[in-house]
Amino acid sequence: KQEVTQIPAALSVPEGENLVLNCSFTDSAIYNLQWFRQDPGKGLTSLLLIQSSQREQTSGRLNASLDKSSGRSTLYIAASQPGDSATYLCVVPNQAGTALIFGKGTTLSVSS
Amino acid sequence: AAGVIQSPRHLIKEKRETATLKCYPIPRHDTVYWYQQGPGQDPQFLISFYEKMQSDKGSIPDRFSAQQFSDYHSELNMSSLELGDSALYFCASSLIAGTYNEQFFGPGTRLTVL
Repeated sequence: KQEVTQIPAALSVPEGENLVLNCSFTDSAIYNLQWFRQDPGKGLTSLLLIQSSQREQTSGRLNASLDKSSGRSTLYIAASQPGDSATYLCVVPNQAGTALIFGKGTTLSVSS
Repeated sequence: AAGVIQSPRHLIKEKRETATLKCYPIPRHDTVYWYQQGPGQDPQFLISFYEKMQSDKGSIPDRFSAQQFSDYHSELNMSSLELGDSALYFCASSLIAGTYNEQFFGPGTRLTVL
């Protein structure tokens, strides 16, 4: 059964720092991996989706990498801003591709 | 671009009442998924439908039922509501034949059971 683990559970950094969020998954046979952002009590915003054949994706200050063989992904946020404060969720499909499995998230707080 | 639409956005019910949540997928998407996110929890998969047939089932209580209609919209029916059903309910849609089944999420329906 696929399990997704995110480390750390919470992270506090001053504005301007570069940071890395980590995600690991137990079954490397994934179709893709997705990073979402969620503000408190709000919906899910898709940040980046990495296909299984890709090693990384970039969007603005965000860069996500995928190493399927080791079951790991990282989300790199450059020059963090207070507006980046949110919970970041790592998500992979189940083996059948019929549902998504979410990690428990990393809650990021960026102070000005 | 059109997104997934969920209605209502907020719903308040009493214990033991019934609630119906609706989801309208992105046009031409053939698959709908329902997720439940309790307070402080990560979203948990409930159920999915492909071409109006149930395709997978997760941790959905027997008190809940769902279906997908001919126009591909879906409804989640929740009966005998309990306090623990208070949560954010997300619907997502995808095109099975599309790019790696990427799921697109709606804004969610916040259900509060009093």
